[in-house]
Amino acid sequence: AQTVTQSQPEMSVQEAETVTLSCTYDTSESNYYLFWYKQPPSRQMILVIRQEAYKQQNATENRFSVNFQKAAKSFSLKISDSQLGDTAMYFCAFMIPPSNSGYALNFGKGTSLLVTP
Amino acid sequence: DTEVTQTPKHLVMGMTNKKSLKCEQHMGHRAMYWYKQKAKKPPELMFVYSYEKLSINESVPSRFSPECPNSSLLNLHLHALQPEDSALYLCASSRGGGTKNTEAFFGQGTRLTVV
Repeated sequence: AQTVTQSQPEMSVQEAETVTLSCTYDTSESNYYLFWYKQPPSRQMILVIRQEAYKQQNATENRFSVNFQKAAKSFSLKISDSQLGDTAMYFCAFMIPPSNSGYALNFGKGTSLLVTP
Repeated sequence: DTEVTQTPKHLVMGMTNKKSLKCEQHMGHRAMYWYKQKAKKPPELMFVYSYEKLSINESVPSRFSPECPNSSLLNLHLHALQPEDSALYLCASSRGGGTKNTEAFFGQGTRLTVV
């Protein structure tokens, strides 16, 4: 079974500062995908960033970047120049490509991020 | 159109009622999902449909009955629910079919309260 661990239930950062959210996972698979999803109070789950395990280069998406350490099974999210709109619950998620059964996500427990003025 | 639309947004039902949740997408995605999310918890997978066939059922009680009438629609029929079934029900879709485009798009959810 695959497990995803987010060890920081809550975090706070000031506007314009940088914050890093941690995520570790456990799997015996070699081919998998990792994601960070954001869920603001509006409840919509929004994809922030995606990383394919076979790619060594860390994914970046504007102010969001990851530090993917495959050997350590670590997948942290760095948010630069934090904005008030970044306030949300952030979920780390794991997916193993199936044969035909779709792509089911396995989520960590989440980190609640508060960005303060 | 990159939207997954869920209706209704809110639903209050009694334990003897029968109701349905609806999910619709027009992105040509062939995999659709139902997740259940309790407050301050991560989403938990309930069902996966791939090419309109049920491919994963995560031991969900039979009072939840999924249906995929066509590739754009996904329903969740509810009957004889319990108060502990109150939660946010999220629908999602993805390309599926073994492609590398694995991004799942989520709807805004239906907030269900069972009284």
